[in-house]
Amino acid sequence: AQSVTQLDSQVPVFEEAPVELRCNYSSSVSVYLFWYVQYPNQGLQLLLKYLSGSTLVKGINGFEAEFNKSQTSFHLRKPSVHISDTAEYFCAVSYDKVIFGPGTSLSVIP
Amino acid sequence: GAVVSQHPSWVICKSGTSVKIECRSLDFQATTMFWYRQFPKQSLMLMATSNEGSKATYEQGVEKDKFLINHASLTLSTLTVTSAHPEDSSFYICSAPFPVSGGTEAFFGQGTRLTVV
Repeated sequence: AQSVTQLDSQVPVFEEAPVELRCNYSSSVSVYLFWYVQYPNQGLQLLLKYLSGSTLVKGINGFEAEFNKSQTSFHLRKPSVHISDTAEYFCAVSYDKVIFGPGTSLSVIP
Repeated sequence: GAVVSQHPSWVICKSGTSVKIECRSLDFQATTMFWYRQFPKQSLMLMATSNEGSKATYEQGVEKDKFLINHASLTLSTLTVTSAHPEDSSFYICSAPFPVSGGTEAFFGQGTRLTVV
């Protein structure tokens, strides 16, 4: 079985500051990894994904994440956040089905 | 990329009535689809796996008789919430897997917000 942990339920950060949202996963098989963003009262939007190849993946809106197999982590980073990045962020792992982490609420403070 | 369409995007119904939510893969065939539920300020929880031509597989704790799933064709899965009650009010979202370069990616519908009054 697969599981996903997002240690930070809420992350406040000032505008233009860097941010890292942490994600750790557990799986006995090789999995695919994803980060999704959900704005208030909206559906999911894929930020980025790791399927294979380079462990550093770049996504939309200036986000990137690095897959670390030894640490079973897939942390999301952005060097400079904007007010518009305020949203809920979900890390997810996929083998035969997608399992979501509990989510991290990112609040960007002006 | 692949497109998954969900309908309706929102619905309000009276307690005790049933509501059907449709999930369609618009430009690809999906032998499997997944249904999730999201309560306010919570994560998405997998409810069931919809299998074309066979019975759905439900996650532990999900009532099969309350959440009826039908996957009658390779492009359509439906979730029917029977005898809905206010506690069933939630955001329901479906997804379908699609092969992409390097692996498989899940494509999600836009979700259905159900409010039971």
